[in-house]
Amino acid sequence: DGGITQSPKYLFRKEGQNVTLSCEQNLNHDAMYWYRQDPGQGLRLIYYSQIVNDFQKGDIAEGYSVSREKKESFPLTVTSAQKNPTAFYLCASSIGSGGETQYFGPGTRLLVL
Amino acid sequence: DAKTTQPPSMDCAEGRAANLPCNHSTISGNEYVYWYRQIHSQGPQYIIHGLKNNETNEMASLIITEDRKSSTLILPHATLRDTAVYYCIVMNTGFQKLVFGTGTRLLVSP
Repeated sequence: DGGITQSPKYLFRKEGQNVTLSCEQNLNHDAMYWYRQDPGQGLRLIYYSQIVNDFQKGDIAEGYSVSREKKESFPLTVTSAQKNPTAFYLCASSIGSGGETQYFGPGTRLLVL
Repeated sequence: DAKTTQPPSMDCAEGRAANLPCNHSTISGNEYVYWYRQIHSQGPQYIIHGLKNNETNEMASLIITEDRKSSTLILPHATLRDTAVYYCIVMNTGFQKLVFGTGTRLLVSP
């Protein structure tokens, strides 16, 4: 059963804490993406990766970091430098990065305590 | 600079066809029309896409006008689980970040 999984579904962050959101895909897709969605708003691109060991900043990368050590995995770390982290975080993947269809995971909702 | 225009909301009775319109009058020749939907608090779900021919899959049909300035997503037999926000997007080849507009909130009622 192929797809994209994200964990956890809900995550709570304390002030000054770094937290890592997991994204795994078994679709054999080369490209992976992280988006942020705020209530009632559209998607904003945080980071994307077109291939293993390579990634690029999106529109709102400040306060976030990523790694792409394996094709299947693209974890996102929300650092303490991100001052407004409360949002719905969505991971997506596509076969390549040439405009192919992006498929999304179920999302992680991050809340600040 | 919205590339697409959709009605903010629509209602549909369960079992009936839901026809969701989208205007994309400035679409260029190499841009595809994509449809996604997002059920509350879930990740967006890809539905269908097309360039100029009508397309059908197990979820829906996509009808694109001959001049490609508008399209209609058809859910042939809407169910309560089809209640969601539906987004129409135009994208060309090459790397693309997905940009959702405000979409159409479809409410399917018994």
